[in-house]
Formats: sequence, structure tokens, C-alpha cells
Amino acid sequence: QKEVEQNSGPLSVPEGAIASLNCTYSDRVSQSFFWYRQYSGKSPELIMSIYSNGDKEDGRFTAQLNKASQYVSLLIRDSQPSDSATYLCAVKTSYDKVIFGPGTSLSVIP
Amino acid sequence: SQTIHQWPATLVQPVGSPLSLECTVEGTSNPNLYWYRQAAGRGLQLLFYSVGIGQISSEVPQNLSASRPQDRQFILSSKKLLLSDSGFYLCAWAQGLDSPLHFGNGTRLTVT
Repeated sequence: QKEVEQNSGPLSVPEGAIASLNCTYSDRVSQSFFWYRQYSGKSPELIMSIYSNGDKEDGRFTAQLNKASQYVSLLIRDSQPSDSATYLCAVKTSYDKVIFGPGTSLSVIP
Repeated sequence: SQTIHQWPATLVQPVGSPLSLECTVEGTSNPNLYWYRQAAGRGLQLLFYSVGIGQISSEVPQNLSASRPQDRQFILSSKKLLLSDSGFYLCAWAQGLDSPLHFGNGTRLTVT
């Protein structure tokens, strides 16, 4: 089993819709979870961090964490063409190791 | 504010040649440091990480090595490059147990 998995893409949504990105992880002791956005040819940039069960909102982005189910998600409301990118889920596991999922490519259609 | 510098931005090297990529962080002390590699169209593969000077954890032994000669300096090396070493190499830092990673601009390595 891979340590961090994400829903396979590519994901296409129309402009203004909600994009839903999912991530599962295998290490039950993980406590820190991150979502990054990566544009083609660029380095990843942090969108949000989440550490506690429940929802965390930041502008158009909402991260959701369920440690019992080992599940993290990211919702993007009012999706814009500029949101078209690859979204990476990252999990900090034991000993400060940070593992990334394979990424989900999102395309927002105008 | 903290900044991370990674160089060079691009590099073309022949098979069998050595490699040295350097990363430095400014504006913080005792950061955790990370090296990742991203093959074309793939996710980030953790290569090495360090929680302090001289402390290196290796995830992918192969033909790569890493060193941390100073608190805010992280170096990725190889004695002999393979074609499979081509990719986008990313250095990142984090401060503290729960802090997110912050990435440098990356080095795009092509082994020919």
C-alpha cells in the first residue's frame, strides 16, 4: 500500500463550480497534513495546513481531516481557470518525514 | 523573512559525470531540510531529509548522497549520474514539528 494516495485525475470542472480533491494516508500516527498547488514547471506552493479533525477554511479553500478514516480532502469553491494546476497532498509522518501523494491534475474550464 | 536558495536552475550532464546541487536557507536556524525528485509527470519522491547538522536520513540509497555541512546548507551529490537521475530536484525547509515545507525554485537536471 502506498503511503499517500490521491484520487486519480485529471479532474475537469466548469468555472464557478466546486472542485473536490481527496487524499488517504497509511501512517496512523501522522499529525500534520498539507495541500500544495503546483503549476507546470514550477515548485509546489502551500495552500493550507490542517492538524485537527474537522474543517478549516481559507478563502475559497476548505480542507477537511478525518484521522479515524485516515482521510484528507480539499474543496475549492468558485473554481477559476487560474486554479488549473496539480494539487499535491502531503503528510508528515514519524521522525519529520514528509511524504507526498502522486497529485491530482485539475482543469477548470471557462 | 526566510528565503531558500537553490542552484543551478537547469543542468545538463552526461551519464557517468558527478553531480552537486546546493541549497541554502536564510533567516532561520536549525531548520529541517529535504531533497525531493520529481520525474516528468510524476509526484515528489523523498530522497533525503535532515533534522540537524550531520543527521541525514536516506529514503532512496541508490547512487545519490546528501550532506549538511552547515546548519542551513544542504547538498545533494552523485559520483556517477545515471539516465534515470533526470528530473526536477527540489529542496525544501521546515521549521518545527508541525510546520509545512517551503520549497526552492528547483533544479531541472537532464542526464544525456
